[in-house]
Amino acid sequence: DADVTQTPRNRITKTGKRIMLECSQTKGHDRMYWYRQDPGLGLQLIYYSFDVKDINKGEISDGYSVSRQAQAKFSLSLESAIPNQTALYFCAIQPSGPANTGELFFGEGSRLTVL
Amino acid sequence: GDSVTQMEGPVTLSEEAFLTINCTYTATGYPSLFWYVQYPGEGLQLLLKATKADDKGSNKGFEATYRKETTSFHLEKGSVQVSDSAVYFCALSDRGKGNNRLAFGKGNQVVVIP
Repeated sequence: DADVTQTPRNRITKTGKRIMLECSQTKGHDRMYWYRQDPGLGLQLIYYSFDVKDINKGEISDGYSVSRQAQAKFSLSLESAIPNQTALYFCAIQPSGPANTGELFFGEGSRLTVL
Repeated sequence: GDSVTQMEGPVTLSEEAFLTINCTYTATGYPSLFWYVQYPGEGLQLLLKATKADDKGSNKGFEATYRKETTSFHLEKGSVQVSDSAVYFCALSDRGKGNNRLAFGKGNQVVVIP
């Protein structure tokens, strides 16, 4: 089983719909991240969490919200999807404390298309 | 803030050619440096890393040396294969700032032609 699992892997939706992308992990790491990838723009940080109930905005949080109700799960929501949110979304995890070397462990991505 | 700059544009080269992808960084502290690789249809995975000046990271024939004097971490491979076709991201993490978040470059698409 993968350490980081994202669902759904692909989703097509319409403008104005609410969408939730889910991320779960089996490593027990405290830190979880949501990134967005657009061609030519690299990865942009949307939100991150260092513990249950801890939520922090990243570079591009507008139009998104997150929930961290359990250590292993970190969900990303688009309350009212718009076409420029069409992108590839990645969840990543990272340990805290001395085990943290900076390395992130990524899921396989969720491709979202907003029509 | 901390940032990473990668050379512009995709890289297309023939099998067995020498590959270099340039990466320079800006950081106020003492960052760790990383190269991630993204194969088609997959997530990013760590290729190599270096945590202090003059360290050399290496993996799968790829190498990168942490050069503090030139604030660079260029990725090199002496003889590429078709299977090296992927997107490569340079990244840094500044542990001195207490949060250890990664800042990524924009990535370089590498296409290796048989």
